[in-house]
Amino acid sequence: AQSVSQHNHHVILSEAASLELGCNYSYGGTVNLFWYVQYPGQHLQLLLKYFSGDPLVKGIKGFEAEFIKSKFSFNLRKPSVQWSDTAEYFCAVTRLSSNTGKLIFGQGTTLQVKP
Amino acid sequence: NAGVMQNPRHLVRRRGQEARLRCSPMKGHSHVYWYRQLPEEGLKFMVYLQKENIIDESGMPKERFSAEFPKEGPSILRIQQVVRGDSAAYFCASSPPGQGAQATEAFFGQGTRLTVV
Repeated sequence: AQSVSQHNHHVILSEAASLELGCNYSYGGTVNLFWYVQYPGQHLQLLLKYFSGDPLVKGIKGFEAEFIKSKFSFNLRKPSVQWSDTAEYFCAVTRLSSNTGKLIFGQGTTLQVKP
Repeated sequence: NAGVMQNPRHLVRRRGQEARLRCSPMKGHSHVYWYRQLPEEGLKFMVYLQKENIIDESGMPKERFSAEFPKEGPSILRIQQVVRGDSAAYFCASSPPGQGAQATEAFFGQGTRLTVV
């Protein structure tokens, strides 16, 4: 089935460790790619997005993601995590062919950063 | 500019009752999306509405669920005769007019957590 997959369901890191969260999608055609973050008790916030152009995208709070078209991947990275990065992270895709802008989400990754 | 407002934040209903979830989009936004997050799962698209029109309801269960976005007032997601399996977090998102497939960003509300007892 066509989907968005996040490989890591629960990640535990110590502060200052590097982070990489995997995201793969299985849709053909043109897609827009997003990473959202949900801090405890809060709404989803956009971290970064990719539509076209430079496949290395920089977002807020030091996050970046790289779109690798041949691998259908859009992995999220941060060189040095902080305790305040503890949250749930969602990768999402919109398909231009759907013409609606609806987001198709991965199942999410819970990141726990230990101080 | 207030963000996307959802209410109530928490809703408890007994089996068989009706649940009404409200979403007020950001000012100037005319596109509304509803998503459902079941425990241990990601968000699943339910329905996409523009003012007075349902554009895409491919993610809505066939029975008991309905949504509207009237000309005036908030968007409403209505669940009739709730069952325990409806317990979930329901999120609303909005985007400006003219975006659709070219949406640069959807802004999310804080969600309504529905518990069916």
